[in-house]
Amino acid sequence: GDSVTQMEGPVTLSEEAFLTINCTYTATGYPSLFWYVQYPGEGLQLLLKATKADDKGSNKGFEATYRKETTSFHLEKGSVQVSDSAVYFCASERGGKLIFGQGTELSVKP
Amino acid sequence: GAVVSQHPSWVICKSGTSVKIECRSLDFQATTMFWYRQFPKQSLMLMATSNEGSKATYEQGVEKDKFLINHASLTLSTLTVTSAHPEDSSFYICSAGLGGRLYEQYFGPGTRLTVT
Repeated sequence: GDSVTQMEGPVTLSEEAFLTINCTYTATGYPSLFWYVQYPGEGLQLLLKATKADDKGSNKGFEATYRKETTSFHLEKGSVQVSDSAVYFCASERGGKLIFGQGTELSVKP
Repeated sequence: GAVVSQHPSWVICKSGTSVKIECRSLDFQATTMFWYRQFPKQSLMLMATSNEGSKATYEQGVEKDKFLINHASLTLSTLTVTSAHPEDSSFYICSAGLGGRLYEQYFGPGTRLTVT
């Protein structure tokens, strides 16, 4: 069945560092792909999405490109801030259901 | 807007008792609500999908008699864990859907259940 795999955390970075969180998926066909973010004490929020191959989703300085050749959807940000500290979830959508990765905790130090 | 709340945020109960978790959409009407379960350092697993006024659709492997879901109104869904056992200890998350696009779900903050 479909699955999503993320790099394990926690990831600890200094402020203004470059961020990459790897995400790969397995699926038959081409599912829609998403990144969600969960700030402490809050529910998951949709961060960005891509619905077809080569699409780039972007929001709040974060970007991810749907790469069908490598079945990947890596999340990047050029300069992280302390306020970006959160748990990030990669997800795919198939048959009306969201399939989540295990989440990657990001901690940004001043 | 589009806020989803869960209550309680944390509950401890004794083995054999039942626990009810509420999920409310505070400022919108949700035709569809979803219940997920999350184990430590693991992904969210969809347990069931419920539509207002109809029976929930459970995912394969989820015991419908143990995890009772009621979606009685467009703003409230409840999950009751019946005869809870320590293996039911987990983080339960609900979400509410606004429209036909599944990814437009709004998630509650989750409920931590510990069964002793």
